[in-house]
Order: sequence, then structure tokens, then C-alpha cells
Amino acid sequence: QSVLTQPPSVSGAPGQRVTISCTGGSSNIGADYDVHWYQQLPGTAPTVLIYGNNYRPSGVPDRFSGSKSGTSASLAITGLQVEDEADYYCQSYDNSLSGAWVFGGGTKLTVL
Amino acid sequence: QVQLVQSGAEVKKPGASVKVSCKASGYTFTTYHMHWLRQAPGQGLEWMGIINPSGGTTSYAQRFQGRVTMTRDTSTSSVYMELSGLRSEDTAVYYCARYVEYPYSYFDFWGQGTLVTVSS
Repeated sequence: QSVLTQPPSVSGAPGQRVTISCTGGSSNIGADYDVHWYQQLPGTAPTVLIYGNNYRPSGVPDRFSGSKSGTSASLAITGLQVEDEADYYCQSYDNSLSGAWVFGGGTKLTVL
Repeated sequence: QVQLVQSGAEVKKPGASVKVSCKASGYTFTTYHMHWLRQAPGQGLEWMGIINPSGGTTSYAQRFQGRVTMTRDTSTSSVYMELSGLRSEDTAVYYCARYVEYPYSYFDFWGQGTLVTVSS
């Protein structure tokens, strides 16, 4: 059971827009800790996609954007491309005894 | 360019220990904390612990306390993660990840992963 909750899967057609939600609680996202998003292509290590809630590392297309409000965060992907098919993970920090750096369970994006 | 290169796959029997290495290059090794995370087959990411390569101080996730030890060797710019008392549930890909802290704190570079298989 992950501390942060994500939908197991989302899907969309090429060119469409999809969003992935990440819900936490008062000891993590709600405690004003930043949310970061990682993309994991099949068989590879994760790479950072969004950091500090809504900043993109150089090289990440502006089709990817992040937002955060209250105890939740979202990743939006516009103009879906086949190569976006991957697993996406949100990550934050938790100040409770359950652990420090926490992740969502991951969302599998399928581009139809 | 920043690179984190991990040691190769391991197969261990239940009860044994495994030690995974992560060699850093392309930056000043002692400037960034390093984390270890793992991913069981078909599962999500799980944080295991953090090591400060400068002083060697560590902090471990509660569920791994007593079973995990993280160390570093500044002469080779390497960090190590040793997990003891292995059980089948420890079968996973283990990652080291560099932690950038300013102005935002996140995992900016990851190793390629090391598959550890625990099987009798």
C-alpha cells in the first residue's frame, strides 16, 4: 500500500490530453512538501519528469506539466505521443513515522 | 556528465546477504546525498535509505532497520547497499539515485538498476 495514491492506469489516443492524479495526506503533500514526477520507460530506470511541483528539467517537452493543490497533485500530458507510453510515479516527503521519501504506486499510461 | 554505474545482477539463497555497489562519476562525489530504492517485479518504487557521502551518516526506512547497511568509499566515489537476511520478497531491482537539494529536493540521476533474485 503506497502512501501516495495514483490511478493504476490511464489511456488516451495520440494527440489527446490525459491527467494523472496523486493524492496524499496531511503528513506529506498537505504539509507543503513538494511533489515530483518520474517517468519509467519499459525496462529502464526512472527519470525525473517534473520537479518542484511544476518545473521541467531541460529536455522535457512542455507537453508535460504539473500542479499541486492541498493534499493532491496532478501531472498533465497534452498532445499524447506513442513514446509517452510508460509508468509514471509521483514522489514527495512524509514527516510521519511511516517513512521519509514516499512514492505513489505508479500509473501505467497506454497510448491507444 | 553525471553517471551512476551499479554492479551486476545477483542470485542469492534465502537468509544470505547481498551487497550492491554504485560508482559515481561526472561530479563531486561528496557534494550530493545518495539514496537507495527498490522495485519489486511489476510493483512500484520503495525508498530504502540515504547516505551522506561526505560524512558517511545514514538514515534507513523503518521497515529495513536492522537489515540494511549503507556505506561509502570516497577514494572510489562509490556507495554500497548491503541487505541481510534475504527472503523471496526481497527479489527486486535495486537503484541508487543522486539527491539534489537546492532549490528543490528530488532524485535527479539514477543508476541503471541491479536485479537481486532471492531463490532457493
